[in-house]
Amino acid sequence: QQPVQSPQAVILREGEDAVINCSSSKALYSVHWYRQKHGEAPVFLMILLKGGEQKGHDKISASFNEKKQQSSLYLTASQLSYSGTYFCGTEMDSSYKLIFGSGTRLLVRP
Amino acid sequence: NAGVTQTPKFQVLKTGQSMTLQCAQDMNHNSMYWYRQDPGMGLRLIYYSASEGTTDKGEVPNGYNVSRLNKREFSLRLESAAPSQTSVYFCASTLERGLSHEQYFGPGTRLTVT
Repeated sequence: QQPVQSPQAVILREGEDAVINCSSSKALYSVHWYRQKHGEAPVFLMILLKGGEQKGHDKISASFNEKKQQSSLYLTASQLSYSGTYFCGTEMDSSYKLIFGSGTRLLVRP
Repeated sequence: NAGVTQTPKFQVLKTGQSMTLQCAQDMNHNSMYWYRQDPGMGLRLIYYSASEGTTDKGEVPNGYNVSRLNKREFSLRLESAAPSQTSVYFCASTLERGLSHEQYFGPGTRLTVT
Protein backbone atom coordinates (compact mmCIF):
# COMPACT_ATOMS: atom_id res chain seq x y z
CA GLN A 1 0.00 0.00 0.00
CA GLN A 2 3.00 2.28 0.52
CA PRO A 3 3.74 4.26 -2.65
CA VAL A 4 7.05 3.63 -4.38
CA GLN A 5 9.33 6.57 -5.04
CA SER A 6 12.14 6.71 -7.56
CA PRO A 7 14.95 7.44 -7.69
CA GLN A 8 16.03 6.90 -4.09
CA ALA A 9 18.68 9.59 -4.39
CA VAL A 10 19.88 12.12 -6.94
CA ILE A 11 22.77 14.56 -7.07
CA LEU A 12 22.51 17.66 -9.23
CA ARG A 13 24.61 20.65 -10.14
CA GLU A 14 22.97 23.99 -9.53
CA GLY A 15 20.76 24.84 -12.51
CA GLU A 16 20.09 21.25 -13.56
CA ASP A 17 16.66 19.64 -13.69
CA ALA A 18 15.31 16.58 -11.89
CA VAL A 19 12.19 14.42 -11.89
CA ILE A 20 10.99 12.42 -8.89
CA ASN A 21 8.34 9.77 -9.40
CA CYS A 22 5.73 8.31 -7.09
CA SER A 23 3.60 5.31 -8.01
CA SER A 24 0.87 3.42 -6.22
CA SER A 25 -0.71 0.02 -6.69
CA LYS A 26 -4.05 1.41 -5.51
CA ALA A 27 -6.42 3.96 -6.99
CA LEU A 28 -5.67 7.38 -5.61
CA TYR A 29 -7.80 10.33 -4.56
CA SER A 30 -4.89 12.71 -4.17
CA VAL A 31 -1.12 12.96 -4.02
CA HIS A 32 0.75 15.31 -1.70
CA TRP A 33 4.39 16.38 -2.00
CA TYR A 34 6.53 17.44 0.97
CA ARG A 35 10.17 18.44 1.38
CA GLN A 36 12.15 17.76 4.53
CA LYS A 37 15.52 19.28 5.30
CA HIS A 38 17.89 17.47 7.61
CA GLY A 39 16.78 17.66 11.24
CA GLU A 40 13.61 19.57 10.40
CA ALA A 41 9.92 18.82 9.95
CA PRO A 42 8.43 18.11 6.53
CA VAL A 43 7.04 21.14 4.72
CA PHE A 44 4.08 21.00 2.34
CA LEU A 45 4.82 21.74 -1.33
CA MET A 46 1.62 20.95 -3.19
CA ILE A 47 -1.38 18.67 -3.49
CA LEU A 48 -2.78 17.15 -6.67
CA LEU A 49 -6.31 15.86 -6.76
CA LYS A 50 -7.57 13.23 -9.18
CA GLY A 51 -8.34 14.81 -12.50
CA GLY A 52 -4.80 14.86 -13.86
CA GLU A 53 -4.11 18.51 -13.15
CA GLN A 54 -0.62 19.87 -13.05
CA LYS A 55 0.44 22.37 -10.44
CA GLY A 56 3.35 24.70 -10.02
CA HIS A 57 5.19 26.22 -7.11
CA ASP A 58 7.97 28.60 -8.18
CA LYS A 59 10.20 26.36 -10.35
CA ILE A 60 8.78 23.18 -8.85
CA SER A 61 5.77 21.61 -10.53
CA ALA A 62 3.98 18.29 -10.41
CA SER A 63 1.60 16.16 -12.41
CA PHE A 64 -0.81 13.40 -11.49
CA ASN A 65 -1.80 10.63 -13.88
CA GLU A 66 -4.89 9.18 -12.28
CA LYS A 67 -5.16 6.23 -14.66
CA LYS A 68 -1.58 5.13 -14.04
CA GLN A 69 -1.79 6.00 -10.33
CA GLN A 70 1.42 7.95 -10.68
CA SER A 71 2.65 11.40 -9.83
CA SER A 72 5.84 13.16 -10.84
CA LEU A 73 7.56 16.13 -9.24
CA TYR A 74 9.59 18.34 -11.59
CA LEU A 75 12.38 20.55 -10.31
CA THR A 76 13.75 22.91 -12.95
CA ALA A 77 16.85 25.06 -12.77
CA SER A 78 17.59 23.64 -9.35
CA GLN A 79 18.86 25.87 -6.56
CA LEU A 80 20.98 24.99 -3.55
CA SER A 81 17.89 25.49 -1.37
CA TYR A 82 16.17 22.58 -3.13
CA SER A 83 18.40 20.09 -1.31
CA GLY A 84 16.52 17.81 1.05
CA THR A 85 14.39 14.70 1.05
CA TYR A 86 11.18 14.73 -0.97
CA PHE A 87 8.24 12.61 0.09
CA CYS A 88 5.04 11.84 -1.69
CA GLY A 89 1.97 11.09 0.40
CA THR A 90 -0.96 9.29 -1.16
CA GLU A 91 -4.60 9.40 -0.17
CA MET A 92 -7.05 6.67 -1.23
CA ASP A 93 -10.18 8.61 -0.43
CA SER A 94 -11.14 11.95 1.06
CA SER A 95 -10.28 10.77 4.57
CA TYR A 96 -7.29 13.14 4.96
CA LYS A 97 -5.23 10.04 5.85
CA LEU A 98 -1.88 9.92 4.03
CA ILE A 99 0.50 7.03 3.38
CA PHE A 100 4.01 8.29 2.64
CA GLY A 101 6.67 6.91 0.36
CA SER A 102 10.18 6.27 1.64
CA GLY A 103 11.53 9.48 0.15
CA THR A 104 13.99 10.71 -2.48
CA ARG A 105 17.16 12.40 -1.29
CA LEU A 106 18.13 15.35 -3.47
CA LEU A 107 21.49 17.07 -3.18
CA VAL A 108 22.18 20.20 -5.22
CA ARG A 109 25.86 21.15 -5.49
CA PRO A 110 27.32 24.50 -6.59
CA ASN B 1 0.36 32.03 15.97
CA ALA B 2 2.72 29.21 17.02
CA GLY B 3 1.38 26.60 14.54
CA VAL B 4 1.95 23.03 15.77
CA THR B 5 3.95 22.64 18.97
CA GLN B 6 5.32 19.44 20.51
CA THR B 7 6.78 18.65 23.90
CA PRO B 8 9.29 17.42 24.83
CA LYS B 9 11.86 17.95 22.06
CA PHE B 10 14.10 15.15 23.30
CA GLN B 11 13.49 12.21 25.62
CA VAL B 12 15.44 9.17 26.75
CA LEU B 13 13.51 6.30 28.31
CA LYS B 14 14.45 2.93 29.73
CA THR B 15 12.69 -0.15 28.42
CA GLY B 16 9.34 -0.55 30.15
CA GLN B 17 8.93 3.08 31.15
CA SER B 18 5.88 5.05 30.05
CA MET B 19 5.50 8.58 28.77
CA THR B 20 3.13 10.91 26.95
CA LEU B 21 4.09 13.08 24.00
CA GLN B 22 2.10 16.29 23.83
CA CYS B 23 0.94 18.10 20.71
CA ALA B 24 -1.08 21.28 20.34
CA GLN B 25 -2.13 23.43 17.39
CA ASP B 26 -3.57 26.93 17.43
CA MET B 27 -4.86 27.01 13.85
CA ASN B 28 -8.35 25.67 14.58
CA HIS B 29 -7.69 22.56 12.48
CA ASN B 30 -10.08 19.63 12.75
CA SER B 31 -7.75 16.75 11.88
CA MET B 32 -4.59 15.82 13.74
CA TYR B 33 -2.02 13.05 13.25
CA TRP B 34 0.89 11.24 14.88
CA TYR B 35 3.71 9.88 12.70
CA ARG B 36 6.99 8.18 13.45
CA GLN B 37 10.08 8.50 11.29
CA ASP B 38 12.92 6.05 11.65
CA PRO B 39 16.42 7.00 10.42
CA GLY B 40 16.55 7.29 6.64
CA MET B 41 12.91 6.30 6.33
CA GLY B 42 9.61 7.85 5.45
CA LEU B 43 6.80 8.84 7.76
CA ARG B 44 4.51 6.14 9.09
CA LEU B 45 1.09 7.02 10.46
CA ILE B 46 0.49 5.82 14.02
CA TYR B 47 -2.93 7.29 14.82
CA TYR B 48 -5.05 10.12 13.55
CA SER B 49 -8.08 12.07 14.70
CA ALA B 50 -10.50 13.44 12.12
CA SER B 51 -12.29 15.56 14.70
CA GLU B 52 -12.55 16.19 18.41
CA GLY B 53 -13.66 13.02 20.17
CA THR B 54 -12.68 10.59 17.39
CA THR B 55 -9.47 8.63 16.85
CA ASP B 56 -8.49 5.93 14.36
CA LYS B 57 -5.56 3.59 13.89
CA GLY B 58 -2.98 4.21 11.21
CA GLU B 59 -0.30 1.91 9.78
CA VAL B 60 1.63 1.18 12.99
CA PRO B 61 -0.60 1.63 16.08
CA ASN B 62 0.70 -1.25 18.21
CA GLY B 63 2.29 -0.12 21.47
CA TYR B 64 0.67 3.32 21.38
CA ASN B 65 -2.48 5.00 22.62
CA VAL B 66 -3.82 8.45 21.80
CA SER B 67 -6.17 10.96 23.30
CA ARG B 68 -7.83 13.90 21.55
CA LEU B 69 -8.32 16.03 24.61
CA ASN B 70 -9.99 18.89 22.76
CA LYS B 71 -9.79 20.47 19.33
CA ARG B 72 -6.32 21.89 20.04
CA GLU B 73 -4.56 18.96 21.70
CA PHE B 74 -3.70 15.41 20.60
CA SER B 75 -1.43 13.33 22.84
CA LEU B 76 0.44 10.08 22.16
CA ARG B 77 1.16 7.65 25.00
CA LEU B 78 3.71 4.86 25.17
CA GLU B 79 2.58 2.56 27.97
CA SER B 80 5.68 0.33 28.08
CA ALA B 81 8.48 1.66 25.91
CA ALA B 82 10.55 -0.74 23.81
CA PRO B 83 13.85 -0.12 21.93
CA SER B 84 11.92 -0.59 18.65
CA GLN B 85 10.05 2.62 19.49
CA THR B 86 13.23 4.67 19.22
CA SER B 87 12.31 7.19 16.55
CA VAL B 88 11.43 10.79 15.78
CA TYR B 89 7.76 11.46 16.39
CA PHE B 90 5.95 14.15 14.43
CA CYS B 91 2.54 15.56 15.12
CA ALA B 92 0.64 17.22 12.29
CA SER B 93 -2.67 18.94 11.70
CA THR B 94 -4.63 19.56 8.54
CA LEU B 95 -5.93 22.76 7.09
CA GLU B 96 -9.13 21.85 5.29
CA ARG B 97 -9.65 24.45 2.59
CA GLY B 98 -12.16 23.24 0.06
CA LEU B 99 -10.62 20.20 -1.59
CA SER B 100 -7.12 21.13 -0.44
CA HIS B 101 -5.87 19.79 2.85
CA GLU B 102 -2.18 20.36 3.44
CA GLN B 103 -0.64 19.02 6.60
CA TYR B 104 1.35 21.23 8.96
CA PHE B 105 3.99 19.44 11.00
CA GLY B 106 5.36 20.15 14.43
CA PRO B 107 9.15 20.23 15.07
CA GLY B 108 9.26 16.61 16.28
CA THR B 109 10.19 14.72 19.43
CA ARG B 110 13.37 12.66 19.34
CA LEU B 111 12.84 9.60 21.51
CA THR B 112 15.50 7.07 22.47
CA VAL B 113 14.58 3.90 24.34
CA THR B 114 17.52 2.06 25.92
